[in-house]
Amino acid sequence: AQKVTQAQTEISVVEKEDVTLDCVYETRDTTYYLFWYKQPPSGELVFLIRRNSFDEQNEISGRYSWNFQKSTSSFNFTITASQVVDSAVYFCALSGRRALTFGSGTRLQVQP
Amino acid sequence: DAGVTQSPTHLIKTRGQQVTLRCSPKSGHDTVSWYQQALGQGPQFIFQYYEEEERQRGNFPDRFSGHQFPNYSSELNVNALLLGDSALYLCASSLLSGLAGGADTQYFGPGTRLTVL
Repeated sequence: AQKVTQAQTEISVVEKEDVTLDCVYETRDTTYYLFWYKQPPSGELVFLIRRNSFDEQNEISGRYSWNFQKSTSSFNFTITASQVVDSAVYFCALSGRRALTFGSGTRLQVQP
Repeated sequence: DAGVTQSPTHLIKTRGQQVTLRCSPKSGHDTVSWYQQALGQGPQFIFQYYEEEERQRGNFPDRFSGHQFPNYSSELNVNALLLGDSALYLCASSLLSGLAGGADTQYFGPGTRLTVL
C-alpha cells in the first residue's frame, strides 16, 4: 500500500520568509513518481512539479525548490521569499500505476 | 489551449437522489481520472477511464459509476446519494505515455462541489 504523510497541517509565515513544506512517502514500487500540487481557494489543483524515483537531483524553479531524498523517503518543497500569493493548500502526491495517492495537505498562510 | 473543464460548478441534492457530473479533458489528453475531496482532506481516487473503459478503481462502492465518450469527455454518476457524498469532485486528465510507475502528469479541473442535504 502507498502512503503520503504531510505532518504540517498549517503553517503561517510573514511575507519574505522562507518556508519548507515536508512530505514523507511509503511505497514498495521501485519505479514511481512524486508530485506537488497547489490548491488556491478557488479549488483547482495546480501542478507544480513531477520527479521520478531515479532522479535525486534537487530542482529549482524561480522561488520554488524541491529536495528529493530517497534514503529518507522525503520530497520536501521550499518557497524562498514567500509572497501573499503563495497562500494556498499544498499537496504532495505519489503515483501508483495509474492513480495518485495524496497527502492530507499543508495550508500555508503568508501574512503581509 | 483549453484546460480541463467541469460542470456544473455547484450542485445541491437530497439523500437518495442521483447525480451526474461532467468533465472535458485538456486538449490532446486521452485519459480521465476522478477524485473525491472531502473538506480538509486530500483528494481520493475514484476511478480512471481510457479508451472508454474503466482501467482502475479506488475504494469506492458501486454507487459510483462512470463513462468515457469517444471524444474523451467523461461523466461521473453517483446513485442513492448519502450525506457523506458531500465533497468537491475533481476531474483530472492526462496523456497515456505507457511509461511505468504512473508517470503521466494529471491536470485537474476546477471541480464540482456537491452538497447532499
